Amino acid sequence: DGGITQSPKYLFRKEGQNVTLSCEQNLNHDAMYWYRQDPGQGLRLIYYSQIVNDFQKGDIAEGYSVSREKKESFPLTVTSAQKNPTAFYLCASSIARYRPSTDTQYFGPGTRLTVL
Amino acid sequence: QKEVEQNSGPLSVPEGAIASLNCTYSDRGSQSFFWYRQYSGKSPELIMFIYSNGDKEDGRFTAQLNKASQYVSLLIRDSQPSDSATYLCAVNPSGGATNKLIFGTGTLLAVQP
Repeated sequence: DGGITQSPKYLFRKEGQNVTLSCEQNLNHDAMYWYRQDPGQGLRLIYYSQIVNDFQKGDIAEGYSVSREKKESFPLTVTSAQKNPTAFYLCASSIARYRPSTDTQYFGPGTRLTVL
Repeated sequence: QKEVEQNSGPLSVPEGAIASLNCTYSDRGSQSFFWYRQYSGKSPELIMFIYSNGDKEDGRFTAQLNKASQYVSLLIRDSQPSDSATYLCAVNPSGGATNKLIFGTGTLLAVQP
């Protein structure tokens, strides 16, 4: 089956710990994205990557880090520097080979992170 | 002013009625517009996208775009209780130079049986 997988589905973290969220896709998409969703708020872009070994900060990158060593994988690390990490984290991907304005993003199932 | 605005709702409609969801955006250079449906606790799923002024129909869904007035809407005909969800509007701004999207906060739709 083609798609985007995220793991784990639920994650609990103690304050001061770093945690890494996994995102894998087998859609052969070039671009991948990480968003954060808080109750009553829209999706906010954390990081995105258009191609392997390259990524850019989104609107709320502070306290987060990413890597893109493989086309299929785009893990997100939530560091202890992120002051309010409890949220629903969504990974998305898109083809990104054609006109950027028509590029369509598809989402994985998400990871719900709770800081204890 | 928020870049993409949606009424948070809830928008309540009876089963079988037409649900009308609206979205306004501030960047006049925006090129493409997307509607996602998000069930409670789940991730967004793409319903449809629209690039040109006018209407685009896909089954029970119709997207309407008016670039001059800077709004995009989603009509759901013959609404079903299974359509009850939050509908997110997303806009590709900046003249389409990047593939980043700006999301609204979503409108909660409740279809009453």
